[in-house]
This record gives sequence, structure tokens and C-alpha cells, in this order.
Amino acid sequence: AQTVTQSQPEMSVQEAETVTLSCTYDTSESDYYLFWYKQPPSRQMILVIRQEAYKQQNATENRFSVNFQKAAKSFSLKISDSQLGDAAMYFCAYRSPLWGTGANSKLTFGKGITLSVRP
Amino acid sequence: GAVVSQHPSRVICKSGTSVKIECRSLDFQATTMFWYRQFPKQSLMLMATSNEGSKATYEQGVEKDKFLINHASLTLSTLTVTSAHPEDSSFYICSASRTGGQETQYFGPGTRLLVL
Repeated sequence: AQTVTQSQPEMSVQEAETVTLSCTYDTSESDYYLFWYKQPPSRQMILVIRQEAYKQQNATENRFSVNFQKAAKSFSLKISDSQLGDAAMYFCAYRSPLWGTGANSKLTFGKGITLSVRP
Repeated sequence: GAVVSQHPSRVICKSGTSVKIECRSLDFQATTMFWYRQFPKQSLMLMATSNEGSKATYEQGVEKDKFLINHASLTLSTLTVTSAHPEDSSFYICSASRTGGQETQYFGPGTRLLVL
């Protein structure tokens, strides 16, 4: 079974600074998706970024980028120019197999990390 | 695009009653929907996978007769908590994957259930 580990329960960053959130996973599969979701105080889960395992290029969405190290099974999220609105709980998630449907397409979540942004 | 709604957003009920929560994909068709439960400051716990036109797949330890799931159309799945008890109080979240493009799950805003 796949597992996703987020070992840091909390992090803090100064507004306008850069912060990196760590995530590691364990799998024996070669094709899969990885995600970062954000859950602000409203508790609405918001997709931040998505990475396909077969792509070597790291995904980027505006101020958010990932460092995907497939051999090391590491998938960290970098937030640049942190804003107060970035304060939230962030979840790393794994989805496999690439072609799965129904129950085979379920996500495995990490425990999450609470990010606070200092003004 | 990819908007998922849930109704109600908040519900308070008496112990022993049943509560139905709706999950709708507003601008796309969803063959598969997922139901999660989340306790404060914790991760999402998958309860079941809902497939349009077929029986739901429940995760180990989740009571099928307690949490009834119906996915009657490509845009609607319902979760019914039967004979609710205070220990069922929680935050319930649904998500949906597009038919034909199923790699990303889009989440509803969640339903807060309080059983008195």
C-alpha cells in the first residue's frame, strides 16, 4: 500500500519570504500522480498543484512550485513571496494507478502541515 | 470550471435521526465521487468511493448500513447517516473526478454535522 508522510506538523514563514513544505511517499509503482491541496480556515479543499510522475519537469503554478525527486520519492512544495492568504493546512496526496478508475483512483493523503504567515 | 457543491453546509440533528448530505458536480460529469470524514486538525479519512449506477466501495471499518451512499446520476451523490449518534458528529467532505479525466479530485465545501 502507498503511504504519504508529512513529518512537519507546523511551519511558519514571514510574509514575502519563501517556504518549503516537505512530503515523502512510498510506492512500488512507476506511474502515478502527486498533488498538493490547501485547506484554509473555511475548510474548502483547494488544488494547489499537480505533478505527473512520468514528467521530469517540475510543475509550477504562479508562486507555487514543486521539487519532485522520483528516485528519492520526495515531493516538496515551495511557496514564494508568501502572502497572508497562504496561511492554511497543506496536504500532500498520492494517486495511483495512472489509469485507474473508481476506487482505484482514490487519493492517499499525508497528515498535513499547518502553515502560518507572519505579517 | 470543476465546481463541486454540498448541501447542507451545516446540520444539527437529534440522536437517532437520519441525515442526508448531497454532493453535486455543477459544471462537469462525475463518474466517481468520494466521501471523506475529517476531524479537527487532522487529515481526510476516505469513507467510500461512489460510482454512478453501481454500489459504493467502502473502506475497511466503515459501516455500510450506517453510511448509505447513492450515486444515481453523473452529477449527484448522496450520503445518508442513518440513526445518527453523537460520535458521528464530524466534518464530511465529498470530491468528484471528471468522467474521462479522472486524475484530479475536486472537493466540495464540506458539511458540518452535529448530533445532539
